[in-house]
Amino acid sequence: DQQVKQNSPSLSVQEGRISILNCDYTNSMFDYFLWYKKYPAEGPTFLISISSIKDKNEDGRFTVFLNKSAKHLSLHIVPSQPGDSAVYFCAASPTGANSKLTFGKGITLSVRP
Amino acid sequence: DAGITQSPRYKITETGRQVTLMCHQTWSHSYMFWYRQDLGHGLRLIYYSAAADITDKGEVPDGYVVSRSKTENFPLTLESATRSQTSVYFCASSDRAYGYTFGSGTRLTVV
Repeated sequence: DQQVKQNSPSLSVQEGRISILNCDYTNSMFDYFLWYKKYPAEGPTFLISISSIKDKNEDGRFTVFLNKSAKHLSLHIVPSQPGDSAVYFCAASPTGANSKLTFGKGITLSVRP
Repeated sequence: DAGITQSPRYKITETGRQVTLMCHQTWSHSYMFWYRQDLGHGLRLIYYSAAADITDKGEVPDGYVVSRSKTENFPLTLESATRSQTSVYFCASSDRAYGYTFGSGTRLTVV
């Protein structure tokens, strides 16, 4: 049973436009959510996080929105750049700390010049 | 250099062989993890450790063994490698405050 779902395997957007990456979760105990970015032949790197006490967190071009009632979060990248092309993993934790994260399958984002 | 390092980066082994993947971190993070990444499955937790001499199973532990005699090292051993264990393996560490930091991965091929 997949507790963190990234149902769209890929997304292609034009440079300068907004990229919206979606993530759904089923475990009501999750209260801390993170996005990781992964380039080929490299390990995932932390991008942005949000705790359940917030509904929005912003860091430069990256904003994460959390809708607890819908058990849904999304990552917005504005404006998208070719260097953003990577695999993005959504992850969730039940403790508020960052141990034992449960990851989704990932979304491959391609930003076209 | 500070960080988390995995070795080897690439490994080819035969079915039935024992193989050990190494992971070393220099931050003295309490938590360490092993994940495997497979197409269609994302990142799945194999084993994790909350401290030296404390380990526990994750989502897909069968066929793997871990140990953590020192805080900085967390080796992953495939006791008898199978083709289904062909994957990219990532080690990560965490101090529970800033999120996981991942190593660069080990690409393992079992032939």
